[in-house]
Amino acid sequence: GQNIDQPTEMTATEGAIVQINCTYQTSGFNGLFWYQQHAGEAPTFLSYNVLDGLEEKGRFSSFLSRSKGYSYLLLKELQMKDSASYLCAASDSNYQLIWGAGTKLIIKP
Amino acid sequence: GAVVSQHPSWVICKSGTSVKIECRSLDFQATTMFWYRQFPKQSLMLMATSNEGSKATYEQGVEKDKFLINHASLTLSTLTVTSAHPEDSSFYICSARDLVEGLNSYNEQFFGPGTRLTVL
Repeated sequence: GQNIDQPTEMTATEGAIVQINCTYQTSGFNGLFWYQQHAGEAPTFLSYNVLDGLEEKGRFSSFLSRSKGYSYLLLKELQMKDSASYLCAASDSNYQLIWGAGTKLIIKP
Repeated sequence: GAVVSQHPSWVICKSGTSVKIECRSLDFQATTMFWYRQFPKQSLMLMATSNEGSKATYEQGVEKDKFLINHASLTLSTLTVTSAHPEDSSFYICSARDLVEGLNSYNEQFFGPGTRLTVL
């Protein structure tokens, strides 16, 4: 079957770095997405990886290893506004997104 | 670019009534639209996928007669919750995707802001 695993909750300190991991199993693979979702709001796109390696975009970076079925989202210089849920989603052979349950990130001052 | 709107943003209705939610792609043509439901502290649950001009494909466990989806044009899809009950209270989110090269070369889904439905 198809499955996405990511931690339920993580806590980090303002100004620090945090890495949110995601493992996936899908029927076919057409890329890995990361979305940010604040409480009561719709998800917003953060990153997309389809090739192995690291994609850097400002304070956020995303990594993919296709052979391991593994991705992570790296957030640097954490700010209080980064407190949100981070959703990992893999695109399968039909380009349908398989969603993880999300990782709630709590930032402490 | 790639803006998706939803209307209404929130709605409160009595049990047994029907509610229609609209999803519009404002600056692109959405060949495919997705409807999700999200309960508090849970992840997105895909309800159905609709392609313009054809019938929606519903996920297992989603009643097609209760959740009516219409995707009559490339910029508008509607979800009607028929005979709503309190257990239908949830956050409903639509997303849209266009496969035209250049706009969406990696099939990103653009999300609407969501509609919070409360059934009394």
